[in-house]
Amino acid sequence: DGGITQSPKYLFRKEGQNVTLSCEQNLNHDAMYWYRQDPGQGLRLIYYSQIVNDFQKGDIAEGYSVSREKKESFPLTVTSAQKNPTAFYLCASNMGGVGEKLFFGSGTQLSVL
Amino acid sequence: AQSVTQLGSHVSVSEGALVLLRCNYSSSVPPYLFWYVQYPNQGLQLLLKYTSAATLVKGINGFEAEFKKSETSFHLTKPSAHMSDAAEYFCAVSTPGGRRALTFGSGTRLQVQP
Repeated sequence: DGGITQSPKYLFRKEGQNVTLSCEQNLNHDAMYWYRQDPGQGLRLIYYSQIVNDFQKGDIAEGYSVSREKKESFPLTVTSAQKNPTAFYLCASNMGGVGEKLFFGSGTQLSVL
Repeated sequence: AQSVTQLGSHVSVSEGALVLLRCNYSSSVPPYLFWYVQYPNQGLQLLLKYTSAATLVKGINGFEAEFKKSETSFHLTKPSAHMSDAAEYFCAVSTPGGRRALTFGSGTRLQVQP
C-alpha cells in the first residue's frame, strides 16, 4: 500500500544531542513537508521541499535542519539549538500544487530526557 | 499573508446534536480552504476542501462546509453528531501565488457526550 512512513514513533533526546526523524513516502509525490504540533497551537510549518535537492524554511525553522537527496525521503534533524523540542512531529506530502490535499504520516513524538 | 482562526478550542455536543466548528480566514486573494480531522496519536485526514467551485462543499462522514466570502468564513457542520466524531479538527488555508504549503489553525477538539 502507498503511504508515508515516519519513524520512530517515540524518540527521546538528551541535552545537547541532535536527533533525526525519518520520513519516507512511496506515493511518488514531489513535495514533502514537516510540521510541528503543540497542544493548543495547531500545526506549524518547519520546512518544506518542492523538489529534490531544494527546500525552504517555514515559520519555525530555527533549531532544525533537513535534506532532500531522494524524492522519497525528507529527514528532519532536531539540533541542540532547538531549546524546546518536545512536540509531535508530522511529515506530509503531495504533488506540490497549491490546492492539493496533504497526505500525512502517523507522526513522531519527541521528548526530552 | 494567509491565516486562519478557529474560534473555540473545545466544543462539546450531545450525540445526535448539530456540530458547528468555526473557521475564519484571512487572505488577500481567493483562497483554497481545507478541513482535516485528527484522531489521537495519528496523522491528519482530509475531510473536505474548497477550491473555488461550489461554495457548499460536502466531505466524508456526513460533514460539510460553506464558503462565505462576505464573512471570510468556512465553518464545518454536521447535522447529527456520532460518538465516533470525537476528534480534533483543523482548518487550513493556501493561496494561489503564495507559499506552497498549508497554514493551519490552532484546532478545535470536539467532544461528543452520550
